[in-house]
Amino acid sequence: EPEVTQTPSHQVTQMGQEVILRCVPISNHLYFYWYRQILGQKVEFLVSFYNNEISEKSEIFDDQFSVERPDGSNFTLKIRSTKLEDSAMYFCACQGVRAGELFFGEGSRLTVL
Amino acid sequence: GNSVTQMEGPVTLSEEAFLTINCTYTATGYPSLFWYVQYPGEGLQLLLKATKADDKGSNKGFEATYRKETTSFHLEKGSVQVSDSAVYFCAPAPRFGSQGNLIFGKGTKLSVKP
Repeated sequence: EPEVTQTPSHQVTQMGQEVILRCVPISNHLYFYWYRQILGQKVEFLVSFYNNEISEKSEIFDDQFSVERPDGSNFTLKIRSTKLEDSAMYFCACQGVRAGELFFGEGSRLTVL
Repeated sequence: GNSVTQMEGPVTLSEEAFLTINCTYTATGYPSLFWYVQYPGEGLQLLLKATKADDKGSNKGFEATYRKETTSFHLEKGSVQVSDSAVYFCAPAPRFGSQGNLIFGKGTKLSVKP
């Protein structure tokens, strides 16, 4: 069964450092998403990406965040200068058709010290 | 935009008990409705879905019926198992014209005791 792969599974970083989280979506999917979940909180939408550009983003997704699909397979989330409150589980998701089922990766846990 | 209201957790049940997790939504039109489940230490995965009114989604013994008249999509299971312990999320499909991101609530944590 096709799956979404995320790396790293856990990253610990110092405040102010840059972090890149990587995702390999299902190969023929067209819509890509990042969500995050602060421990014990709800799953929050960050950004959606389609046709090599951001199609929608939430208020959380400020100038410190960026996404790209550098090589047609990987889908990355970059946090330029991490803050303590960025500590969370980050989930990548993809979708084969618009408004269809979302397929999630197992998440990357980010801990900012 | 679309939104969802789910019953607050945690819900603690004994094995073989009956489960209901309530979900009501507000949406433009009649969106598809999803239940996702998050097992400990894992990502979200689709549990079941219904795409139109009166449809019943089912999987792994769980069921939910799309009720247009009450805008509800309650999750039920007749006999829960310890392995059903997880967090359950109800989500309507996005509003017409958006790009497809699902909006999740806090979820309902279910703990099943042997």
